[in-house]
Amino acid sequence: AQSVTQLDSQVPVFEEAPVELRCNYSSSVSVYLFWYVQYPNQGLQLLLKYLSGSTLVKGINGFEAEFNKSQTSFHLRKPSVHISDTAEYFCAVNSNFGNEKLTFGTGTRLTIIP
Amino acid sequence: EAEVAQSPRYKITEKSQAVAFWCDPISGHATLYWYRQILGQGPELLVQFQDESVVDDSQLPKDRFSAERLKGVDSTLKIQPAELGDSAMYLCASSSPQSVDEQFFGPGTRLTVL
Repeated sequence: AQSVTQLDSQVPVFEEAPVELRCNYSSSVSVYLFWYVQYPNQGLQLLLKYLSGSTLVKGINGFEAEFNKSQTSFHLRKPSVHISDTAEYFCAVNSNFGNEKLTFGTGTRLTIIP
Repeated sequence: EAEVAQSPRYKITEKSQAVAFWCDPISGHATLYWYRQILGQGPELLVQFQDESVVDDSQLPKDRFSAERLKGVDSTLKIQPAELGDSAMYLCASSSPQSVDEQFFGPGTRLTVL
């Protein structure tokens, strides 16, 4: 079984400040990791994904995440946030053994303060 | 740009009524997923199709929920009878055989049961 923990349900950040959204996972097998963003009343959009290779993954909108196997973490970062980054962010995991079922965390609501 | 289509976007119904949601995946995507997202939580997989066959419906409440994908293209999710606890966002996603690790989400149907 696999699970995802997003430690912060809400994160307020001033505009142009850096942000880190935390994600830890649990799995007995090797995994693929994902970050999705959800704007109000919309579906989910993929920000970035880790499948293999370099542990630092760059995504859209200036976001990046680092896979840390020893700490079972996949934290999302952005060096300078904008008002338009206000949204809900979900970390997700699935196994890379052919199981395509995504397990999501409970989400982190990022609020940008002008 | 190809997108996953869902309708309706919003649905209000009274408890004990029947409701149905429709999803049209991206053309060529063989795998289709239905998720339920309760307010404040991450999406939870209800059912997964590979072409017209159900791959995983372990989390689908089969006493009231049903899903079909008769021709392996579009899909319908039905709830009969609806209960107050069914109020949620219902998300459809699809993935291609060439990139099963990435799921593309539709805008969702927000269901309110009164």
